Amino acid sequence: LAKTTQPISMDSYEGQEVNITCSHNNIATNDYITWYQQFPSQGPRFIIQGYKTKVTNEVASLFIPADRKSSTLSLPRVSLSDTAVYYCLVGDMGSSGNTGKLIFGQGTTLQVKP
Amino acid sequence: DAGVIQSPRHEVTEMGQEVTLRCKPISGHDYLFWYRQTMMRGLELLIYFNNNVPIDDSGMPEDRFSAKMPNASFSTLKIQPSEPRDSAVYFCASSLTGGSQPQHFGDGTRLSIL
Repeated sequence: LAKTTQPISMDSYEGQEVNITCSHNNIATNDYITWYQQFPSQGPRFIIQGYKTKVTNEVASLFIPADRKSSTLSLPRVSLSDTAVYYCLVGDMGSSGNTGKLIFGQGTTLQVKP
Repeated sequence: DAGVIQSPRHEVTEMGQEVTLRCKPISGHDYLFWYRQTMMRGLELLIYFNNNVPIDDSGMPEDRFSAKMPNASFSTLKIQPSEPRDSAVYFCASSLTGGSQPQHFGDGTRLSIL
């Protein structure tokens, strides 16, 4: 399983764009990159997933360079409610009988200030 | 659609007692995961099932822990006998398939062993 490394914590202010970078030097060919968000007293919630280049949804964007050894989660114009822990995970899609279980790291605690 | 449902939300019991945590996955999801979260160790995968069959229980801490999935809509995690160090938040998650497919988490059971 590919190991991921991300900052333990980040601070930001309301209205700013936040970029959280995750490194995964040992990512395998079949691995996808997935980000989850966790609020206090709740389970993690899927945010976004990608394989290469850029993916965007209504919540965030995910930038993946060509070598795929890192990825950046971008949250546009954060608000206080974006204060949470953000997890970066890599793993395959579980096809062909390979379940490719996911391992959650320590995550990045994002604190958004007014 | 209803999400993953866990019960109870909170459990306080004395050391040595049997504890049973329950989970109802999202209908149609083939994979079910049990996690434990503590401040010290973060989010740990305990066991997961595919089509009601346990696939990987290498994360189960010791023989005091057991998990079953008698049918596609119900799973239990049992601790017997319980110890104070088992105090944690236990999450159940389900996904359509395994691997990097988005996992949908329940709200967790906060377990306190006195």
